[in-house]
Amino acid sequence: AQSVTQLDSQVPVFEEAPVELRCNYSSSVSVYLFWYVQYPNQGLQLLLKYLSGSTLVKGINGFEAEFNKSQTSFHLRKPSVHISDTAEYFCAVRAISNFGNEKLTFGTGTRLTIIP
Amino acid sequence: EPEVTQTPSHQVTQMGQEVILRCVPISNHLYFYWYRQILGQKVEFLVSFYNNEISEKSEIFDDQFSVERPDGSNFTLKIRSTKLEDSAMYFCASLPRQWNTEAFFGQGTRLTVV
Repeated sequence: AQSVTQLDSQVPVFEEAPVELRCNYSSSVSVYLFWYVQYPNQGLQLLLKYLSGSTLVKGINGFEAEFNKSQTSFHLRKPSVHISDTAEYFCAVRAISNFGNEKLTFGTGTRLTIIP
Repeated sequence: EPEVTQTPSHQVTQMGQEVILRCVPISNHLYFYWYRQILGQKVEFLVSFYNNEISEKSEIFDDQFSVERPDGSNFTLKIRSTKLEDSAMYFCASLPRQWNTEAFFGQGTRLTVV
């Protein structure tokens, strides 16, 4: 079984300041890792993903995340946030297998609020 | 760009009524999922579907829920007798044959049970 922990339920940040949203996972098998963003009253949009290769992955809107296998973490970062980054951010994991039907498990989400 | 389409975007129903939520996955995808998000809470897995059968379901997915792919394109979630606590956003997602990639989500159906 796999699980995802997002310790920070809410993160307020001043505009143009850097931000890090934390994500830790546990799994008995290797996993794929994802960050999704949900803007108010909208659906889930993929921000970035780690499937293999370089542990530093870059996504849309200037976000990036680093996969750390030893610490089982996949923290999301942005060097300078904008008002438009205000949203809910979900970390998610999916087990690697040959079948493809393994479910995506989501964390509880982090609400990022940008302060002007 | 192909996308997962969900209808309706918002449905209001009376407690005890049956509802069917519809999803049209991306055409060459093989793996299908339903997720639920109660307002202000996390996104929860309900069920996965592959090769015309359920491959995994959560404890939320009890006998009141069912899924089917009646015509090879639509993927539906049926709730037989809705309860107030079924009020949530329901998301459909699909994965392509190339399974080592991300799941593609629809925009969701907001179900309100009154």
